[in-house]
Amino acid sequence: NAGVTQTPKFQVLKTGQSMTLQCAQDMNHEYMSWYRQDPGMGLRLIHYSVGAGITDQGEVPNGYNVSRSTTEDFPLRLLSAAPSQTSVYFCASSYDDPGQGAWEQYFGPGTRLTVT
Amino acid sequence: AQSVSQHNHHVILSEAASLELGCNYSYGGTVNLFWYVQYPGQHLQLLLKYFSGDPLVKGIKGFEAEFIKSKFSFNLRKPSVQWSDTAEYFCAVTFNAGKSTFGDGTTLTVKP
Repeated sequence: NAGVTQTPKFQVLKTGQSMTLQCAQDMNHEYMSWYRQDPGMGLRLIHYSVGAGITDQGEVPNGYNVSRSTTEDFPLRLLSAAPSQTSVYFCASSYDDPGQGAWEQYFGPGTRLTVT
Repeated sequence: AQSVSQHNHHVILSEAASLELGCNYSYGGTVNLFWYVQYPGQHLQLLLKYFSGDPLVKGIKGFEAEFIKSKFSFNLRKPSVQWSDTAEYFCAVTFNAGKSTFGDGTTLTVKP
């Protein structure tokens, strides 16, 4: 299994440009999430999904859109990039296993985004 | 809103020293608790987790954590750190499916 994969690894955008960060998982996990990591601020939840066709907002959703058309894929769209969106973005997936402890997150390698 | 607080932002230890990183959360209901580690240049990976049963849980690489419900705490410990433990450590709480709240992280530097 490849686990959680993310592309691209690095990206530089100009203010106002749009782009999509790709995330895919091959573990058949129900739940997927997007986080951004900024120095001294830990990981903050942007959007999450509890299954195909179902998404919801996290802590910092403004400026981002998501969709979940399949179990495997969960792309994150930046609508109009701003310097405040310079960050490292992590995609994660998880599953519910009540007998073993639920919702451990499996993380992708991250995308480092710079907006100039 | 739920929150997670990590007590130390940056810890510097010498090899063989003991480690304890504090984590407190604010939520009155049932939670799943995690510690994740991020080694330099790598993505986050699970160190250990607690969801029920024995409040003292053991993880990889000799780490352990103790859940104290009355104190809303889940502190991470290791008796003797190694240089390879240099990393950033995150405490996280999951309240419902797919949503985790993370602490701000603690950067651990171990001097050889």
